[in-house]
Amino acid sequence: DQQVKQNSPSLSVQEGRISILNCDYTNSMFDYFLWYKKYPAEGPTFLISISSIKDKNEDGRFTVFLNKSAKHLSLHIVPSQPGDSAVYFCAASYHKEPHGSSNTGKLIFGQGTTLQVKP
Amino acid sequence: DVKVTQSSRYLVKRTGEKVFLECVQDMDHENMFWYRQDPGLGLRLIYFSYDVKMKEKGDIPEGYSVSREKKERFSLILESASTNQTSMYLCASSLYGAGGPNQPQHFGDGTRLSIL
Repeated sequence: DQQVKQNSPSLSVQEGRISILNCDYTNSMFDYFLWYKKYPAEGPTFLISISSIKDKNEDGRFTVFLNKSAKHLSLHIVPSQPGDSAVYFCAASYHKEPHGSSNTGKLIFGQGTTLQVKP
Repeated sequence: DVKVTQSSRYLVKRTGEKVFLECVQDMDHENMFWYRQDPGLGLRLIYFSYDVKMKEKGDIPEGYSVSREKKERFSLILESASTNQTSMYLCASSLYGAGGPNQPQHFGDGTRLSIL
């Protein structure tokens, strides 16, 4: 049961253009979404996150959009640079009450999308 | 900056061996996690811990166990290594424990484990 899906295994864009990475989820209880970037032989690096009370969050060249009705998340990178070439993972989590719940902080990851930015 | 350190970058072991993967974080984080990453499958949670001596099964705990004797250290144990456990193993930590606000996890650089 894949609760978080990245349906595009790879994406190739030209330097300077926009990169759009997509992510779909099935669990309406998710209330926090994240994007990570991963270079080969390194651990994932946190990029940007968004709470379910927002529909957009921006940080420099990176913007995350959340469409709750469609259960869809996207990451826009503008302008794309060759150094952005990496695997991108989306992830989702949810709070679970009451006190002492152990599920808080657990992330569900998508399969990843490999982005190649060509010079 | 948060530092999550995994003891080995590359490890080669034999089938049937007991294997220990160590992870240390230096930021007094309450939550720690072990994942494996396989092509086309993303990151899958093996075990996590939200406090010392506490552990919870993730999505794929079979064949693994964990130990958290100190807050900063979280160990993953392969009880009897098998070839299907060849993978990239990633450790992560996050600041708050159960009931805390949402926050990202911070990852180590991973251990590439090969079981022959």
